[in-house]
Amino acid sequence: NAGVTQTPKFQVLKTGQSMTLQCAQDMNHNSMYWYRQDPGMGLRLIYYSASEGTTDKGEVPNGYNVSRLNKREFSLRLESAAPSQTSVYFCATRDSLSSGNTIYFGEGSWLTVV
Amino acid sequence: GQQVMQIPQYQHVQEGEDFTTYCNSSTTLSNIQWYKQRPGGHPVFLIQLVKSGEVKKQKRLTFQFGEAKKNSSLHITATQTTDVGTYFCAGPGGSEKLVFGKGTKLTVNP
Repeated sequence: NAGVTQTPKFQVLKTGQSMTLQCAQDMNHNSMYWYRQDPGMGLRLIYYSASEGTTDKGEVPNGYNVSRLNKREFSLRLESAAPSQTSVYFCATRDSLSSGNTIYFGEGSWLTVV
Repeated sequence: GQQVMQIPQYQHVQEGEDFTTYCNSSTTLSNIQWYKQRPGGHPVFLIQLVKSGEVKKQKRLTFQFGEAKKNSSLHITATQTTDVGTYFCAGPGGSEKLVFGKGTKLTVNP
């Protein structure tokens, strides 16, 4: 039982390059999230998906796109990377149909844009 | 929109000292959660508080939810080096979202 799996774990990009962060969960949760974490800024929500087939913007969506491919997978795409997107990215899931609100995080993806 | 303020941002203690972090919301919360992130790791759920005035304990950790459900605290008694990390509070932000405080980074000097 892997929980929430993110790939890649580390990536260095040049400014202007594109890439996709992959996230897959085996917890059968409906809701999935992408957060970024920067020093002193806490966890900021980029995009989220309340269920398969739906996506919504979070606090800092500019420069990103997402795809909820199916119930298990939620990818985050940077079309033209910028140094300001250097960050640690966390995918997370939540079982929105249960009474609990616990969010389960993946191990993170460290992205550096040079 | 919904904001969750957390203080202090950093706290350095000697091993054995107590530690407290505080969380304040601009609006009444239906619940509040606490997470711990070890250095280099990912946030891990600690606890959820739901009731007004609720107090829950996990060994040396004591969590409180204010009577007005707008503030919360996490208190660690007699810190140990294993307590090192960043502690986040989080509250519902509407529409399936969870809003996190900026966290309190705890360092412990052995």
